[in-house]
Amino acid sequence: GQSLEQPSEVTAVEGAIVQINCTYQTSGFYGLSWYQQHDGGAPTFLSYNGLDGLEETGRFSSFLSRSKGYSYLLLKELQMKDSASYFCAVRVLTDSWGKLQFGAGTQVVVTP
Amino acid sequence: NAGVTQTPKFQVLKTGQSMTLQCAQDMNHNSMYWYRQDPGMGLRLIYYSASEGTTDKGEVPNGYNVSRLNKREFSLRLESAAPSQTSVYFCASSETSGGVGEAFFGQGTRLTVV
Repeated sequence: GQSLEQPSEVTAVEGAIVQINCTYQTSGFYGLSWYQQHDGGAPTFLSYNGLDGLEETGRFSSFLSRSKGYSYLLLKELQMKDSASYFCAVRVLTDSWGKLQFGAGTQVVVTP
Repeated sequence: NAGVTQTPKFQVLKTGQSMTLQCAQDMNHNSMYWYRQDPGMGLRLIYYSASEGTTDKGEVPNGYNVSRLNKREFSLRLESAAPSQTSVYFCASSETSGGVGEAFFGQGTRLTVV
């Protein structure tokens, strides 16, 4: 089966940097994505890592180590609007390609 | 460009009633998914469809059935609703030709079973 582990909550002040870790165990791993969800809203895509290394998109960076089953999302220059839940999600190759499985999410609370 | 459209947005059911949640996407994606989201549980995969004509069980399929009606539409049916199925349901779609496979989500259906 698959398992994804994330911390349940992280708190940081505006302007700071926060790192959200995700560890996974899965067979047929293809890639890992990060999604953001504000209260009451739909999840939206942030980043994707298919290979080891760092991907940067504006204030957000995501890192993947396939050998360690580990990823993190780095949020820089935190803003109040970054208060949201963040989910890691693994794409798994199955007999029928397309399975996308999410972790339980990390609530990020940004304080003034 | 509508993206992923779910109906209804809100629904209250009595225990034992049945209903179908509708989902349609206009991005010509091959894969479609149904998730449920409960507080503290994240998004749990109910069923997915990698392509038109195929469906597979996810983590929590019991009590649900799905139909991939065509490439655009993927419906979720509750045959006999139970209070444990009170949740927010999200439909999503993505391309599956490899690469990023970014998933696009509908706005959710908030279902309460009393």
